Amino acid sequence: NAGVTQTPKFQVLKTGQSMTLQCAQDMNHNSMYWYRQDPGMGLRLIYYSASEGTTDKGEVPNGYNVSRLNKREFSLRLESAAPSQTSVYFCASSEAPNPPYNEQFFGPGTRLTVL
Amino acid sequence: DAKTTQPPSMDCAEGRAANLPCNHSTISGNEYVYWYRQIHSQGPQYIIHGLKNNETNEMASLIITEDRKSSTLILPHATLRDTAVYYCIVRVEISFNNDMRFGAGTRLTVKP
Repeated sequence: NAGVTQTPKFQVLKTGQSMTLQCAQDMNHNSMYWYRQDPGMGLRLIYYSASEGTTDKGEVPNGYNVSRLNKREFSLRLESAAPSQTSVYFCASSEAPNPPYNEQFFGPGTRLTVL
Repeated sequence: DAKTTQPPSMDCAEGRAANLPCNHSTISGNEYVYWYRQIHSQGPQYIIHGLKNNETNEMASLIITEDRKSSTLILPHATLRDTAVYYCIVRVEISFNNDMRFGAGTRLTVKP
């Protein structure tokens, strides 16, 4: 099992450009999440998908959109990148959204720099 | 989610047990205690979680006090690969503001 995979690993954008971060999991999990981690800080939830066909905003959704393409895949789109979106983005999945089944498994991250 | 307090750093000798404390004095009855760790530049890794009983898995043991106001993560035989930042989180169901703000965590350094 590959677990949670993310592409790309690194990306440099110019202000105003758009891009989509891809995430896939092979654990048959129902719930998927997108986080950002800024230097020296904890993770902040951007969007989550409790189950296939649903998406909900997290703490910091502005400037992002998501698509739960199917049970395996959950993509994050930046429509018009801004320097404030420079961060490391982590995708995660869990069996269910709530305890005790929501231990999350994380991907390796995408390091995004917006110039 | 309740607030947690952890020491900023700890050292442990390789092969010895690492005991990482966490204070969560405001925890409510339906909040679980979760532990994750983050090795430099990698995604966080789930370790263990519990509600009120002590738990053990292949990675670690979680000891929760009877009043649930604190807990201890135990790595029974620490190795150099266990050097990481360890995060204690208490959580209930996910919501729009239910972030995974790990806080500063405890930086564990395992020394040869």
